[in-house]
Amino acid sequence: KAGVTQTPRYLIKTRGQQVTLSCSPISGHRSVSWYQQTPGQGLQFLFEYFSETQRNKGNFPGRFSGRQFSNSRSEMNVSTLELGDSALYLCASSTRTGGNTEAFFGQGTRLTVV
Amino acid sequence: QKEVEQDPGPLSVPEGAIVSLNCTYSNSAFQYFMWYRQYSRKGPELLMYTYSSGNKEDGRFTAQVDKSSKYISLFIRDSQPSDSATYLCAMSELAGTALIFGKGTTLSVSS
Repeated sequence: KAGVTQTPRYLIKTRGQQVTLSCSPISGHRSVSWYQQTPGQGLQFLFEYFSETQRNKGNFPGRFSGRQFSNSRSEMNVSTLELGDSALYLCASSTRTGGNTEAFFGQGTRLTVV
Repeated sequence: QKEVEQDPGPLSVPEGAIVSLNCTYSNSAFQYFMWYRQYSRKGPELLMYTYSSGNKEDGRFTAQVDKSSKYISLFIRDSQPSDSATYLCAMSELAGTALIFGKGTTLSVSS
């Protein structure tokens, strides 16, 4: 069974630009959550999409947004990039219902803002 | 006070040692407790998943949750050099999402 797939693996962007990251969940998982990992703050929850609707949101500014498609694939967008947005962005998929509700992570997209 | 506290280490042990990792938390609404292992430049890999209090064992790994003390632990028996990684505790109120992570403990197992 294929795992969570994130593309691209690496990105370099300039301050002020915007970026879109993609996440394909494990087959059958309808929940996709996004996280930001930095050396200073660790892993922090951004938001969750379930059945194409944002269900939960962390404490991040509105520059961070996302969406989910009918096949459960999700995209995250960051607008007006700042140097502090440099991080490893991880997505995790889960069934969110039933007995097995574990969250499985992808390998991440490493974003560098210069 | 952070919601989840985890000693960052580093922790260095010889091969074959028993390793004890732990986290404390402040939010009594947490119901789901997890341990992840993360190698450098990789995504977190789920090791153990526990709902509510109790113990769970899987091979060389044992996870314990004590909700009354707001304390969770991970024990690794017969540690191997391949166990060298960062170990992250995580917990949440909701199943499968909105995980709150500790900062991670870096473990090094020497042969």
